[in-house]
Amino acid sequence: AQSVTQPDIHITVSEGASLELRCNYSYGATPYLFWYVQSPGQGLQLLLKYFSGDTLVQGIKGFEAEFKRSQSSFNLRKPSVHWSDAAEYFCAASDTGRRALTFGSGTRLQVQP
Amino acid sequence: DGGITQSPKYLFRKEGQNVTLSCEQNLNHDAMYWYRQDPGQGLRLIYYSQIVNDFQKGDIAEGYSVSREKKESFPLTVTSAQKNPTAFYLCASSIINREAFFGQGTRLTVV
Repeated sequence: AQSVTQPDIHITVSEGASLELRCNYSYGATPYLFWYVQSPGQGLQLLLKYFSGDTLVQGIKGFEAEFKRSQSSFNLRKPSVHWSDAAEYFCAASDTGRRALTFGSGTRLQVQP
Repeated sequence: DGGITQSPKYLFRKEGQNVTLSCEQNLNHDAMYWYRQDPGQGLRLIYYSQIVNDFQKGDIAEGYSVSREKKESFPLTVTSAQKNPTAFYLCASSIINREAFFGQGTRLTVV
């Protein structure tokens, strides 16, 4: 079955430190890949997306993600975290067959001053 | 402003009652989706629609119903058959095979 896995439920980093959130997918072929961010009680905002081409994708708010086919991964990174980055982050994937996003269970990011 | 509007923001349901959540979009997207969000479980797909008058069940469709009579609207009814309806419900829309855009959600509570 198609699935998206986010191994880390909760991550705490210090403000100014670098960040990497992990995402692995299980699909027959390379899916379309996305990262979304959610503040409490709000909807989801798209951070970045990968359809094809360059495996390093730049997004909004200084985030980037790298697609690694050999590892079935699409990890999200930020070189220097700001207190406003504290939120829940979701990795998602879709393919042309299903045409609806499948989400990971999310990673909650806490930022320490 | 273009976007997706969900209403109401908060909704309370009595036992045995049907309730309908509204979702409207003015992005001219063909596809629309309903997801349910529970703590620690991410988002789970309830129903989706790629064209007017057609929709498909997602992973957790039991106890829910939808309609797609207009391109802009995709209401979700939570029926009395849904035994545990308390959750955060998110509506989204997209151009087919592109990224989805989400509304601000409706929090449904059983009282």
